[in-house]
Amino acid sequence: EIVMTQSPATLSVSPGERATLSCRASQSVSSNLAWYQQIPGQAPRLLIYGASTRATGIPARFSGSGSGTEFTLTISSLQSEDFAVYYCQQYNNWPPYTFGQGTKLEIK
Amino acid sequence: QVQLVQSGAEVKKPGASVKVSCKASGYTFTSYYLHWVRQAPGQGLEWMGIINPSGGSTSYAQKFQGRVSMTRDTSTSTVYMELSSLRSEDTAVYFCARGRVRQLAHSSFDYWGQGTLVTVSS
Repeated sequence: EIVMTQSPATLSVSPGERATLSCRASQSVSSNLAWYQQIPGQAPRLLIYGASTRATGIPARFSGSGSGTEFTLTISSLQSEDFAVYYCQQYNNWPPYTFGQGTKLEIK
Repeated sequence: QVQLVQSGAEVKKPGASVKVSCKASGYTFTSYYLHWVRQAPGQGLEWMGIINPSGGSTSYAQKFQGRVSMTRDTSTSTVYMELSSLRSEDTAVYFCARGRVRQLAHSSFDYWGQGTLVTVSS
């Protein structure tokens, strides 16, 4: 089973600033990596797939990069609605599809 | 528009079973894989299994093997997830989610149901 590790667990950033979230896979997942945003009480929302492709309707301030085992989600100029929990997920080797434990992005 | 609408909250006793439904609309039901993912209170996301609505084939996470069953009804575009021998640790919100790419299991999940809270308590 591929283990996904996200860092940091919690990230405090001021509105308007940039946030950088990291995700590491225990073995290569190629570019088969997705990022999701989850607001409390809601279902997750797909942000990024293929490590760097924005999903339909996702603003350009969200960008993803990386391949193999190291991945980054960057949110430039944070908006109030961006404060949420973010999960990475690999879909290269399954079963199981595995998620990271999440990074909580909070307002500084 | 694509929608996945799940059944309502359930309260079950330990040892019982629960069956959650997920009704799809707005796309060709048999063309996209569907997944079940759960989230315990305050915890992260845990993948449970996948079903191909076309032929009904399934694959489950090892953790749930023997306790979970995923089925589909093509006449109503609905998939079901049944979890048996419930214990308190199964208390969670259960989500269905659609695979993004048509007829490809290796894909991210683009549409999600609203979630179904299952509470296991004596």
